[in-house]
Amino acid sequence: AQSVTQPDIHITVSEGASLELRCNYSYGATPYLFWYVQSPGQGLQLLLKYFSGDTLVQGIKGFEAEFKRSQSSFNLRKPSVHWSDAAEYFCAVGGYSSASKIIFGSGTRLSIRP
Amino acid sequence: GAGVSQSPSNKVTEKGKDVELRCDPISGHTALYWYRQSLGQGLEFLIYFQGNSAPDKSGLPSDRFSAERTGGSVSTLTIQRTQQEDSAVYLCASSLGPGTDTQYFGPGTRLTVL
Repeated sequence: AQSVTQPDIHITVSEGASLELRCNYSYGATPYLFWYVQSPGQGLQLLLKYFSGDTLVQGIKGFEAEFKRSQSSFNLRKPSVHWSDAAEYFCAVGGYSSASKIIFGSGTRLSIRP
Repeated sequence: GAGVSQSPSNKVTEKGKDVELRCDPISGHTALYWYRQSLGQGLEFLIYFQGNSAPDKSGLPSDRFSAERTGGSVSTLTIQRTQQEDSAVYLCASSLGPGTDTQYFGPGTRLTVL
């Protein structure tokens, strides 16, 4: 069965510190992987996505994610966080079947310590 | 329009009443998704449309929930005989195609059942 696990419910980091948000997936075929961000009072916005090719993917707002097939992981990273990065982050997995849907993880809430 | 729109933005209803939530996807997007986000929870998949047909209705929580899409565009999610546990934010998303494509989310409809 397809599933996405985000093991960290809530993370707090200091402004300027590095960030890594974990995501593990279970999928029977080649996965398509996404990270979305939901800022307070805002809709969900795509940060980045991986379909194939280079396993290190660059996204908007200085975020990147690395696909590791051996670990079934797609962790999100940022070298230096800003206060505006405080938000809820969702990892998602999809497939290339015409009937496939995207499955979201339960989210990780990021707080920034001044 | 420029993005996915949903109406109403807020809906307060009494237990037992029926409600209809509307989603206008981005023009040309063939895939349309409905999700539910309860307070502090992740995104719960409800139903997915490709064109006017729904290949996946597996997420609808009960037979009180139904959805339709007409003209490959507007979709309506109907909840009959609402219950307090139906209170949540209902999100709609659309994408150019299924599975692999980026989903663009609407702002959501906040439903409160008293």
